Amino acid sequence: EDQVTQSPEALRLQEGESSSLNCSYTVSGLRGLFWYRQDPGKGPEFLFTLYSAGEEKEKERLKATLTKKESFLHITAPKPEDSATYLCAVQPDSGGYQKVTFGTGTKLQVIP
Amino acid sequence: NAGVTQTPKFQVLKTGQSMTLQCAQDMNHEYMSWYRQDPGMGLRLIHYSVGAGITDQGEVPNGYNVSRSTTEDFPLRLLSAAPSQTSVYFCASKTGTGSYGYTFGSGTRLTVV
Repeated sequence: EDQVTQSPEALRLQEGESSSLNCSYTVSGLRGLFWYRQDPGKGPEFLFTLYSAGEEKEKERLKATLTKKESFLHITAPKPEDSATYLCAVQPDSGGYQKVTFGTGTKLQVIP
Repeated sequence: NAGVTQTPKFQVLKTGQSMTLQCAQDMNHEYMSWYRQDPGMGLRLIHYSVGAGITDQGEVPNGYNVSRSTTEDFPLRLLSAAPSQTSVYFCASKTGTGSYGYTFGSGTRLTVV
């Protein structure tokens, strides 16, 4: 069974204080690993897809990296508007596109 | 493009009542899914569709029905609401090609009393 574990559950940062969120996963074979951002009362918003170990993707202050067992979402010099819950999800290489397992998320709060 | 539109945003039902959550997308996506999100749990797949006329069960399908008569619409029906179905429901869609993840709607917060 595919599993996704995100840590920490919650993270509080001062504005400008860089940090990383962790996503550990177990999957028989990885088709893709996804990162989403979710604001309170809204649906998740797609950020990145990573496909293979060593791959990196960047968007503004966010950089996602992937190893064979983990993905990290690095947040550089965060701003209050980066406050949100960040979700990780994995899609195995067997089964259809609907076969996606989500983690429970890391709730990030950035304090001015 | 409106993306994925869900209605209603909030709903309170009594145990045993039935209702339909609406979902529509204007991106011509083949794949559509319904998820529920509960505190402390990841998004869980209820039902999904890979195209008009094709639907299948996800991880937690009991108590829910879906149909997909058009590419755009994918309604979720609660047959006889139970308190265990109190949750936030998200509809999502995805193209079958490319590297993008799902596009999610803004959700329906359902309370069953």
